Amino acid sequence: EIVLTQSPATLSLSPGERATLSCRASQSVTSYLAWYQQKPGQAPRLLIYHASNRATGIPARFRGSGSATDFTLTITSLEPEDFAVYYCQQRSNWPLTFGGGTKVEIK
Amino acid sequence: QLQLQESGPGLVKPSETLSLTCTVSGDSISSSSYYWGWIRQSPGKGLEWIGSIYYSGSTYYNPSLKSRVTISLDTSKNQFSLKVSSVTAADTAVYYCTRDRWLKNYYYGMDVWGQGTTVTVSS
Repeated sequence: EIVLTQSPATLSLSPGERATLSCRASQSVTSYLAWYQQKPGQAPRLLIYHASNRATGIPARFRGSGSATDFTLTITSLEPEDFAVYYCQQRSNWPLTFGGGTKVEIK
Repeated sequence: QLQLQESGPGLVKPSETLSLTCTVSGDSISSSSYYWGWIRQSPGKGLEWIGSIYYSGSTYYNPSLKSRVTISLDTSKNQFSLKVSSVTAADTAVYYCTRDRWLKNYYYGMDVWGQGTTVTVSS
């Protein structure tokens, strides 16, 4: 099973600041990685697919990068609606696995 | 626009079988290249993949749950279903159905999610 480790667990930032979230895989997942945003009481929403492609309707301030074992989700300038929990997920091998999540909270 | 909707009992007794259905609207569940899956989230916890079924009927399960899980397609109703047997309190969670696509070495992510349904295991 591929383990995804997200860091930090919590990120305390102010609106307008840059957020950098990390996802590290226990073995290479090439680019078969997605990122999701989840707000309280809501289902997760796809942000990034295949490591670096924004999903439909996702603003340009969300950027995904990386390959193999190290991936980054960058939010270039936080908007109030971006404070949420973010998960990475790999599709390289069964079973599919998710990272433990990074909570981006208002400082 | 594709929509997924989970349905099923919100309360299940320990040792019984949890049964949920996901109704797909806006597209055919038989559309090629799509996987239909179930994800769950225990209270205050992260996301756990339960299993997926390919449009052709091939199934893939989380090894941690494999002995208790069955996922099936009903193309006549455009639905897919989840059964988890011998449930315990640890199976209490919000259950989501999803669609994802992996085509020609390109992963498109889980782009559609149901709203989620809460299942509590309690006597």
